[in-house]
Amino acid sequence: EDQVTQSPEALRLQEGESSSLNCSYTVSGLRGLFWYRQDPGKGPEFLFTLYSAGEEKEKERLKATLTKKESFLHITAPKPEDSATYLCAVLSGGSYIPTFGRGTSLIVHP
Amino acid sequence: DAGVIQSPRHEVTEMGQEVTLRCKPISGHNSLFWYRQTMMRGLELLIYFNNNVPIDDSGMPEDRFSAKMPNASFSTLKIQPSEPRDSAVYFCASKGGGGNTEAFFGQGTRLTVV
Repeated sequence: EDQVTQSPEALRLQEGESSSLNCSYTVSGLRGLFWYRQDPGKGPEFLFTLYSAGEEKEKERLKATLTKKESFLHITAPKPEDSATYLCAVLSGGSYIPTFGRGTSLIVHP
Repeated sequence: DAGVIQSPRHEVTEMGQEVTLRCKPISGHNSLFWYRQTMMRGLELLIYFNNNVPIDDSGMPEDRFSAKMPNASFSTLKIQPSEPRDSAVYFCASKGGGGNTEAFFGQGTRLTVV
């Protein structure tokens, strides 16, 4: 059974303090890893898809990287508007159903 | 495209009543998912449709839950009878293209059963 573990569960940063969120996975045959952002009261918003180890994607202050066992979401010089829950999901084997981690709740203080 | 559209956004109902949640997927998408999100369990898959056909319903909690997709542009999730433990946020998501593409979520329906 696929397992997706995100850490830390919660993270508090000062504005401008860079950090990383972790998504570790145990799957048979990774076909894709997805990062989402979820604001309170809203649905998850798609950020990135990574398909193979070594791949990187960037968007504004966010950068996602992928290895054979984990993915990192790096946040550079975060702003208060980056505060949200960040979710990681994987597709593996013959399944077409994304399996989600529990998420990391990020709060950026001004 | 307006994205995945869910209705209603909020639903408050009494225990024992029937509840119907609705979803319009993104046009052209051939896969549709219903998820339930709670603080305790995070996002849980309830059911997955492909080309309007239910492929995996192993996440449906019990017979009180049923889902249909009569055509490519509409799906419903019904709970009958509803119970307080069904209170959660229910999300619909859709995806298209190849099997490795990302899913797009609606804004969710917050269900409260009192």
